[in-house]
Amino acid sequence: AAGVIQSPRHLIKEKRETATLKCYPIPRHDTVYWYQQGPGQDPQFLISFYEKMQSDKGSIPDRFSAQQFSDYHSELNMSSLELGDSALYFCASSLVAAYNEQFFGPGTRLTVL
Amino acid sequence: ILNVEQSPQSLHVQEGDSTNFTCSFPSSNFYALHWYRWETAKSPEALFVMTLNGDEKKKGRISATLNTKEGYSYLYIKGSQPEDSATYLCAFSKAGGGADGLTFGKGTHLIIQP
Repeated sequence: AAGVIQSPRHLIKEKRETATLKCYPIPRHDTVYWYQQGPGQDPQFLISFYEKMQSDKGSIPDRFSAQQFSDYHSELNMSSLELGDSALYFCASSLVAAYNEQFFGPGTRLTVL
Repeated sequence: ILNVEQSPQSLHVQEGDSTNFTCSFPSSNFYALHWYRWETAKSPEALFVMTLNGDEKKKGRISATLNTKEGYSYLYIKGSQPEDSATYLCAFSKAGGGADGLTFGKGTHLIIQP
């Protein structure tokens, strides 16, 4: 069965640079979520989109923005990167009618030097 | 701020033994409770989503129960095998949260010793 696809899988950036992470949800899923997992921490919710509209917002820094496109894929844009942004970024997708059951992608490991 | 607590933080179990661990969550504003299995270098794997008080779900040797009135869920593993070694995460969905983010607990790290 098709799963959530994330690209790139690994990314290395310098401080103050920008990064764009991409997420392709499971086919026919209408909702996309972004999570950040720092070292030794549980995943922290950043933002979600349902039918291309922002649905819920968590602890997403103002330097980050995201959107969902007409083909339902989503991009997380991160600017003015800081050392503390180094983390594993998960994307998840769901059908909004399915009790918020979210299926996670493999994650993008971002390292900021 | 939603508080999801899991205990114990880590657990060592002999192969063949059964075990269980706990997730506590807010009893108000409840929508769903999720269990995930998370192996190192992999993405969290959905085990169960539970929505009704008294729900019991089972998948092979793993089962879960839900008490929404008192705000807790138990995950049980019967006859533990080495491949059960993983971190087990529970996550809470609040009411009206069809497209809302999950609030995760910090997980129970389970190690099965042969």
